[in-house]
Amino acid sequence: ETGVTQTPRHLVMGMTNKKSLKCEQHLGHNAMYWYKQSAKKPLELMFVYSLEERVENNSVPSRFSPECPNSSHLFLHLHTLQPEDSALYLCASSQAGGNYGYTFGSGTRLTVV
Amino acid sequence: GQQVMQIPQYQHVQEGEDFTTYCNSSTTLSNIQWYKQRPGGHPVFLIQLVKSGEVKKQKRLTFQFGEAKKNSSLHITATQTTDVGTYFCAPPGGGGNKLTFGTGTQLKVEL
Repeated sequence: ETGVTQTPRHLVMGMTNKKSLKCEQHLGHNAMYWYKQSAKKPLELMFVYSLEERVENNSVPSRFSPECPNSSHLFLHLHTLQPEDSALYLCASSQAGGNYGYTFGSGTRLTVV
Repeated sequence: GQQVMQIPQYQHVQEGEDFTTYCNSSTTLSNIQWYKQRPGGHPVFLIQLVKSGEVKKQKRLTFQFGEAKKNSSLHITATQTTDVGTYFCAPPGGGGNKLTFGTGTQLKVEL
């Protein structure tokens, strides 16, 4: 375990479904992130939360909706996704001003059918 | 956000050979981080470089930050099969703690 736990590890959903990805960090960090990793593409930053406030929405379609109820938890709510949204969704956390980089979770492998 | 070019995209080596990946930016970077992602895994933080010309070593890995702070490299001496994975450089991607990840170099090591 990395200190950042993501559930579920795998998810298959239809285009009309609604699902949520969950991320929990046990490191006392004050910033959390959602990244998307598609095959043969760089890691794409989706959302940034710092001190529970969303500070970045990187032109992500509204079918992705993040939620950060407290500094330890981050959710990504999904609805009416498209097949091209199939990817590995990675959650990460960090401590502002620290030199220890991001700590990533193991990711959720999402397949939209 | 910050754009970086990472080369090569792929590298195939025999075990025991050396390996180097390069990260180049058109603008000056305040710092740069490096990550490793094993096949089927998630990125793991390796190191952060901050100072101009900085060189840091972790066992067989040597990280360098260019004098102009526009490029960085990761060199692995005498590769082993455990070095297999994709290596990403990640400079700051704007304000706050954001990172922009490079395209990565996928390393394969053959016995």
